[in-house]
Amino acid sequence: NAGVTQTPKFQVLKTGQSMTLQCAQDMNHEYMSWYRQDPGMGLRLIHYSVGAGITDQGEVPNGYNVSRSTTEDFPLRLLSAAPSQTSVYFCASSWGTGGALTEAFFGQGTRLTVV
Amino acid sequence: GNSVTQMEGPVTLSEEAFLTINCTYTATGYPSLFWYVQYPGEGLQLLLKATKADDKGSNKGFEATYRKETTSFHLEKGSVQVSDSAVYFCALIETQFYFGTGTSLTVIP
Repeated sequence: NAGVTQTPKFQVLKTGQSMTLQCAQDMNHEYMSWYRQDPGMGLRLIHYSVGAGITDQGEVPNGYNVSRSTTEDFPLRLLSAAPSQTSVYFCASSWGTGGALTEAFFGQGTRLTVV
Repeated sequence: GNSVTQMEGPVTLSEEAFLTINCTYTATGYPSLFWYVQYPGEGLQLLLKATKADDKGSNKGFEATYRKETTSFHLEKGSVQVSDSAVYFCALIETQFYFGTGTSLTVIP
């Protein structure tokens, strides 16, 4: 059972480049989310999805887009990378929606550097 | 709104010392509470959880009790090991997840 798989694990981008961080889960979870982790800031929610075709913004959505065409996949797109987006990105999934969410399962993370 | 506050780190302890990492929360309803652990270079893993007031979560010698009256969920371990060195995150779930800022623990032999 693979759980939550993120690719790539490391990426270096130049300012203004675009890229997509991939996230896939094989647990049939409805809820998926993206976080960024920065020193001293903990985990901040970027975008989340409560099911295929449904996405919503989290705490820090600017500069990022998401889509959810299938239950399994939840890619995160950076349209024009900026140095402020240098961070470690985590994808997570969970059973349930709304107030019935259970524990979150995390991917291994993507370490992104924008130069 | 919802939020989680946990004690600032970093924390450095000698092997076999007692560990407490404080966590308090603010919530509009009755959330489930969690402790996650992050080892270097890895994602977060669930350490323990509690879903209602007075529940005690425990795993690998760690434990935490859901205290509604003090809105707290402090993490404790009686005797830490070098292998416990990691970053620990307190979290709550209502309609979405809310994480604390993390506490880095280093255990020295």
